[in-house]
Amino acid sequence: GAVVSQHPSRVICKSGTSVKIECRSLDFQATTMFWYRQFPKQSLMLMATSNEGSKATYEQGVEKDKFLINHASLTLSTLTVTSAHPEDSSFYICSAPFSGTGFNQPQHFGDGTRLSIL
Amino acid sequence: QQPVQSPQAVILREGEDAVINCSSSKALYSVHWYRQKHGEAPVFLMILLKGGEQKGHEKISASFNEKKQQSSLYLTASQLSYSGTYFCGTEIVVQGAQKLVFGQGTRLTINP
Repeated sequence: GAVVSQHPSRVICKSGTSVKIECRSLDFQATTMFWYRQFPKQSLMLMATSNEGSKATYEQGVEKDKFLINHASLTLSTLTVTSAHPEDSSFYICSAPFSGTGFNQPQHFGDGTRLSIL
Repeated sequence: QQPVQSPQAVILREGEDAVINCSSSKALYSVHWYRQKHGEAPVFLMILLKGGEQKGHEKISASFNEKKQQSSLYLTASQLSYSGTYFCGTEIVVQGAQKLVFGQGTRLTINP
């Protein structure tokens, strides 16, 4: 069964709406989670690294104020797309290391959230 | 920083073999391999950590060269279920921040 649960799986909303996506690690604690964005037929582009108890680390070109990340507990990270616009429409996926933390760890991926902004 | 994959796409008949390459201009800490089917999350295949390492089984295996700058994924006697996009990924640390970055992907199509 899934070890990383991502919710919701699909969101369709109007331009200007803020959307929150949750990523939960099931049965293990994750001090680090990664957030990716994937456009059709393209690669997984890292947006930010979510760190429990500290600020997220954003990739160059990713607006911190637009993509708010909160790693509130050892099992939950959230990504909020604020005032979403059509160009934010994409597939958003989170992942967590198998061990919950550390380097060189395989990743469990959530099932992704398909965001469509009208 | 992003590893480079080749080829971009492969079309095979069931039972044929495929090789997907992943390379970097700098030595890598590790190489991850994942397969993603359309509309689904990537699924972990394997991770290689040491130069010269080979891992996997008869059907799907991977190697990591001695200089840790190139990895290859081998798909032998391909099955229809092998279709999907394969990504290699590598972990880097930039200014103390840990990151996992992926290559551009290789789309594999297996036809009956």
